[in-house]
Amino acid sequence: RKEVEQDPGPFNVPEGATVAFNCTYSNSASQSFFWYRQDCRKEPKLLMSVYSSGNEDGRFTAQLNRASQYISLLIRDSKLSDSATYLCVVKTGGFKTIFGAGTRLFVKA
Amino acid sequence: GAVVSQHPSWVICKSGTSVKIECRSLDFQATTMFWYRQFPKQSLMLMATSNEGSKATYEQGVEKDKFLINHASLTLSTLTVTSAHPEDSSFYICSASGPVNTEAFFGQGTRLTVV
Repeated sequence: RKEVEQDPGPFNVPEGATVAFNCTYSNSASQSFFWYRQDCRKEPKLLMSVYSSGNEDGRFTAQLNRASQYISLLIRDSKLSDSATYLCVVKTGGFKTIFGAGTRLFVKA
Repeated sequence: GAVVSQHPSWVICKSGTSVKIECRSLDFQATTMFWYRQFPKQSLMLMATSNEGSKATYEQGVEKDKFLINHASLTLSTLTVTSAHPEDSSFYICSASGPVNTEAFFGQGTRLTVV
């Protein structure tokens, strides 16, 4: 089993739609969680950290479920510019940073 | 914010030659750096974890004699692809990590093409 698993997609959604991604992790000792965005042929960039109580940043909402060992990302009112690959990232206590395979999102007009 | 600088951003080399990629943390001390490889339309794959002053820890399936990692200082880690072959052509990215509850900072990546 992979340490971090994501549905690779692609998710094809129209502009204005709401879309959600999940990511599961296997190491119960994982300590911090992030969502990154990667555009084609570029390095990943931090989208948002994921806090235990859940957090929101504009149209983006991230949640953590430690009991079930998954995190989620919700994007509301999708824009064309949201088209990218979204990477779930988990850090363990040893600073090891593990990436999920990424979920590809295509937002269409 | 913290910045990680990776150089070169792209390189084309002949098969059989070696290529060195540098990763520098510009405004913080990175005790741990990570090297990733990404093939087209695939995910980032962790190659190795590099700790300052000690040998790198390689992920399963990554040849340590082919991908030489040196982390001699708190601000510099290097990855050398030795005797490169066309199948080594890929996007290589480094990242430097701070404390456990902070994000990882990435270099801009190096696109290696071996001809």
